[in-house]
Amino acid sequence: AQSVAQPEDQVNVAEGNPLTVKCTYSVSGNPYLFWYVQYPNRGLQFLLKYITGDNLVKGSYGFEAEFNKSQTSFHLKKPSALVSDSALYFCAVRDQTGANNLFFGTGTRLTVIP
Amino acid sequence: NAGVTQTPKFRVLKTGQSMTLLCAQDMNHEYMYWYRQDPGMGLRLIHYSVGEGTTAKGEVPDGYNVSRLKKQNFLLGLESAAPSQTSVYFCASSYMGWEGNQPQHFGDGTRLSIL
Repeated sequence: AQSVAQPEDQVNVAEGNPLTVKCTYSVSGNPYLFWYVQYPNRGLQFLLKYITGDNLVKGSYGFEAEFNKSQTSFHLKKPSALVSDSALYFCAVRDQTGANNLFFGTGTRLTVIP
Repeated sequence: NAGVTQTPKFRVLKTGQSMTLLCAQDMNHEYMYWYRQDPGMGLRLIHYSVGEGTTAKGEVPDGYNVSRLKKQNFLLGLESAAPSQTSVYFCASSYMGWEGNQPQHFGDGTRLSIL
């Protein structure tokens, strides 16, 4: 069965510092991995995805993620955090048995401190 | 461009009542999904549809029914609401794409409380 784990419920980072939000995955075969962001009282917004190819994936709002097959990780990163990046971040993996279905992690709340 | 629209945004029900949550998308997406979001549990798939007239069960389908009579609409029904169904419900849609590489687009959610 496919799954993702987000080991940190909460991440705090100072504005201007680099940020990392961690995600590890468990799949049989090649993973399709996604990051989404959720702002208060809103639905999830797509940030980026890894399907195949370059291990460093660039996405929206200056975010990027690094796919590491040996460590089964797909950590979200940004070189310089903004206060407006404060939100709930979800990692997801595609269900390999279903039509484009996703399994989501439990989410990591990122707080950027001014 | 509205994207994915959910109605209502908030609702309070009494145990045993029924209701239908409405989802509409204007992006001509083939696939549509209903999720529930509970604290500390992320999003869990309730039901999904790969096209007009088709539906399938997700991870947590019990107590819910769905219908997709038109391509742009996906309805989620609670026949007899229970307190355990208190949650935030999200609808999403996506293109079929190549082997599921298409991102999902989400509505802003329906906050449902069952007393």
